[in-house]
Amino acid sequence: SQTIHQWPATLVQPVGSPLSLECTVEGTSNPNLYWYRQAAGRGLQLLFYSVGIGQISSEVPQNLSASRPQDRQFILSSKKLLLSDSGFYLCACRDGEYYGYTFGSGTRLTVV
Amino acid sequence: GDSVTQMEGPVTLSEEAFLTINCTYTATGYPSLFWYVQYPGEGLQLLLKATKADDKGSNKGFEATYRKETTSFHLEKGSVQVSDSAVYFCALGGGSNYKLTFGKGTLLTVNP
Repeated sequence: SQTIHQWPATLVQPVGSPLSLECTVEGTSNPNLYWYRQAAGRGLQLLFYSVGIGQISSEVPQNLSASRPQDRQFILSSKKLLLSDSGFYLCACRDGEYYGYTFGSGTRLTVV
Repeated sequence: GDSVTQMEGPVTLSEEAFLTINCTYTATGYPSLFWYVQYPGEGLQLLLKATKADDKGSNKGFEATYRKETTSFHLEKGSVQVSDSAVYFCALGGGSNYKLTFGKGTLLTVNP
């Protein structure tokens, strides 16, 4: 089974600063990868997904971007953070044949 | 498009009470259905799944049955514990690029 590593676990950044969150996957190859955001409250919003190296699909217009430089690496970035970018960011990998996901432990981002 | 509707709660129960969290869905085709659990400050963990009509998923005393005729996947547990306090998400999968569609989550608090 696959394992997802996310870091950092928590991050406090000033408005206007850049962002880079990294997600790496072990135990599988050529995975479908996903970035979700969970804002105050509990809902999950799909931000980006990737079906392969260099292939990124954006689900919502926003201040963030994603990249997939390697098969098992998925990066979420921003050039200039906004207060509204605060939230809990989760990376996920498609889990085998049942369309379910394995999630990372998340990054709590606070923009101040 | 695909959608999931679940009771939003919050739900507050006493230990050993019976739990039901309702979940209904709208989807084309034959999706897989999931329940995920999120403990405070953590990522999501798969609780149980069902991949076809009439399947029953079960884990840790929780159960849910895939009811195609009522498009439902209600989560039940006969006797909840304080350690079950968490947010529960219903989800369906099988759409394009294997994206999961999540409900908004239900916060469960179990008091001793």
